Amino acid sequence: DAGITQSPRHKVTETGTPVTLRCHQTENHRYMYWYRQDPGHGLRLIHYSYGVKDTDKGEVSDGYSVSRSKTEDFLLTLESATSSQTSVYFCAISAGAASRDNEQFFGPGTRLTVL
Amino acid sequence: AQKITQTQPGMFVQEKEAVTLDCTYDTSDPSYGLFWYKQPSSGEMIFLIYQGSYDQQNATEGRYSLNFQKARKSANLVISASQLGDSAMYFCAMREGQVQGAQKLVFGQGTRLTINP
Repeated sequence: DAGITQSPRHKVTETGTPVTLRCHQTENHRYMYWYRQDPGHGLRLIHYSYGVKDTDKGEVSDGYSVSRSKTEDFLLTLESATSSQTSVYFCAISAGAASRDNEQFFGPGTRLTVL
Repeated sequence: AQKITQTQPGMFVQEKEAVTLDCTYDTSDPSYGLFWYKQPSSGEMIFLIYQGSYDQQNATEGRYSLNFQKARKSANLVISASQLGDSAMYFCAMREGQVQGAQKLVFGQGTRLTINP
């Protein structure tokens, strides 16, 4: 199994509070991604990184920011959490371009509830 | 507009039967990739199979095969000899274009497969 951990695994917070989710990998993969999963929507890309300090927006980036100061860590921050950000958040990593040998591996997920 | 469409919200299949999960996609990019992932009730996302748009042959991985019909823009997953452990949610995803090599995936809504004994 790919070495990806996410912390925390579960979090309950209140509207308006800042929240940071951490993704840590031990595979030394260049690319890291944050997705959210909601019923009826599958997974949607929030932000991704193609190297240290190199990040870009995904499909649903509003209300989220990211940072990557080390290869192994990718942080997702909700500056002021809203109830619409209640979701399951997945981190993923990949070594390179999509191919048979370069699939995207997913972490275990973080369940976030915003009250 | 939906880029990935999975038209079967749920499927029920008898154990040991083959099952086909449908996926159609929409893209104008000549270079793309198609993935299938399995999500059991425990929640993790498990990679199953990948098909590149330029691959000449359909991808196969053990009991999984991908029926890739490029002209119809379809990438159906076929599971042969289904097992009880195949009960899960299945997602089709497409990598469309690349930015600095990053795989920006777009997912379908998923199909919940239930295998009956």
